[in-house]
Amino acid sequence: AQRVTQPEKLLSVFKGAPVELKCNYSYSGSPELFWYVQYSRQRLQLLLRHISRESIKGFTADLNKGETSFHLKKPFAQEEDSAMYYCALLTDKLIFGTGTRLQVFP
Amino acid sequence: NAGVTQTPKFQVLKTGQSMTLQCAQDMNHNSMYWYRQDPGMGLRLIYYSASEGTTDKGEVPNGYNVSRLNKREFSLRLESAAPSQTSVYFCASSAFETGTKGAKNIQYFGAGTRLSVL
Repeated sequence: AQRVTQPEKLLSVFKGAPVELKCNYSYSGSPELFWYVQYSRQRLQLLLRHISRESIKGFTADLNKGETSFHLKKPFAQEEDSAMYYCALLTDKLIFGTGTRLQVFP
Repeated sequence: NAGVTQTPKFQVLKTGQSMTLQCAQDMNHNSMYWYRQDPGMGLRLIYYSASEGTTDKGEVPNGYNVSRLNKREFSLRLESAAPSQTSVYFCASSAFETGTKGAKNIQYFGAGTRLSVL
């Protein structure tokens, strides 16, 4: 079955703390994975995708095929990182996880 | 480019009423999608259209119909609204083409329609 699992509904950290938002996937093919972000009252937008191996706003995500994971990490969280984060798997369509709300306190 | 435009932004319906959510994109994308977003459920795909003239069911199609009017427009219709359809609806488009993967498979989202069914 094709599935994306984000085990944490809410992640709360203080400013400057490291952040890791977990994402695991289930897919028999070669996965193409994305992280999308939705800031308060804004539309969903692409944050990063694994094939480009980029760092956006200090976030990185590494695909680990052995653990079927694509966790999103940032070494030092900022208040403006507070948002809803969705991990997504591309098959013939985009399958989203249930999302993790990140709260960064000052 | 306006990107993906959804109308209306807000709507309140009574149970049993019908309405159509409109979506248009000006990026010449082949594929368009309708999602609903509910707390704790994430984004669930209702219907999608891989190309003009085709539509397919997603994860939660019951109670909805769609029309891919042309390449630009993809509408979602609720024939008889129910309280369970209270949600935020997002339209998206992408240049995804069957059998290919890469830079064209990024989805762009509209601002959403907040629908309440009383």
